[in-house]
Amino acid sequence: DGGITQSPKYLFRKEGQNVTLSCEQNLNHDAMYWYRQDPGQGLRLIYYSQIVNDFQKGDIAEGYSVSREKKESFPLTVTSAQKNPTAFYLCASTVGSGANVLTFGAGSRLTVL
Amino acid sequence: AQSVTQPDIHITVSEGASLELRCNYSYGATPYLFWYVQSPGQGLQLLLKYFSGDTLVQGIKGFEAEFKRSQSSFNLRKPSVHWSDAAEYFCAVENTGFQKLVFGTGTRLLVSP
Repeated sequence: DGGITQSPKYLFRKEGQNVTLSCEQNLNHDAMYWYRQDPGQGLRLIYYSQIVNDFQKGDIAEGYSVSREKKESFPLTVTSAQKNPTAFYLCASTVGSGANVLTFGAGSRLTVL
Repeated sequence: AQSVTQPDIHITVSEGASLELRCNYSYGATPYLFWYVQSPGQGLQLLLKYFSGDTLVQGIKGFEAEFKRSQSSFNLRKPSVHWSDAAEYFCAVENTGFQKLVFGTGTRLLVSP
C-alpha cells in the first residue's frame, strides 16, 4: 500500500546534538512538508518542498534544515540551534497541483533530555 | 495573513448526541477548506474538503460540514456521535495558489457513555 513512513517513532536527544528525522513516501507525490505539533498550538509549517532539489522555509524554520535529493525522501534535521525541539513532528505529501489534500505520516516524537 | 480559529479547545458529547465543531477563517477570497482528524500519537486523516460548488459537503465516518461565506465559517457536524469519534479535530485553510495549509489549534472531542 502507498503511504508515508516516518522514522523513528520515538527519539531522545541530549541538548547540543543534531538529530535527523526520516520521511519516505511511495505515493509519487511531488510536494512534501514538515509540520511541528505542540499541545494547544495546532500544526506549524517548518519547511516544504514542491520539487526535487528545491525547498522553502515555512513559518518556523529557524533551527531546522532539510534536503530533497530524491522525490521520495524529505529528511528533517533538528539542529542544536533549535531552542525548544521537544515536539511531535509530522511529515506530509501531496500531488502538488494545488488544492492540497495532504497525506500524513504517523509522526515522530522527539524528546530532548 | 490568513488564520484559522477553532474557539473550542475541548468538547464533551454524550454518545448518540449530535456534534458541531466550530471553525472560522480569516481570508479575503474563497479558500480551500479542510477538516482533519487525529487519533492520539498518530498522523492526520482527511475527513472532508470544500473547494467550490455545493456549500454542504459530506465526508467520511458520517461527518459533514457547511461553508458559510457570510460568516467565514466551516463548521463540522455529525448527527450521532460514536465513542470511536473521540479524537482531535483540525480545521485547515489553503491560501489558493500558494499550496500551503494553515491549521487551527484543534478541538479535542471527548465522548461520554
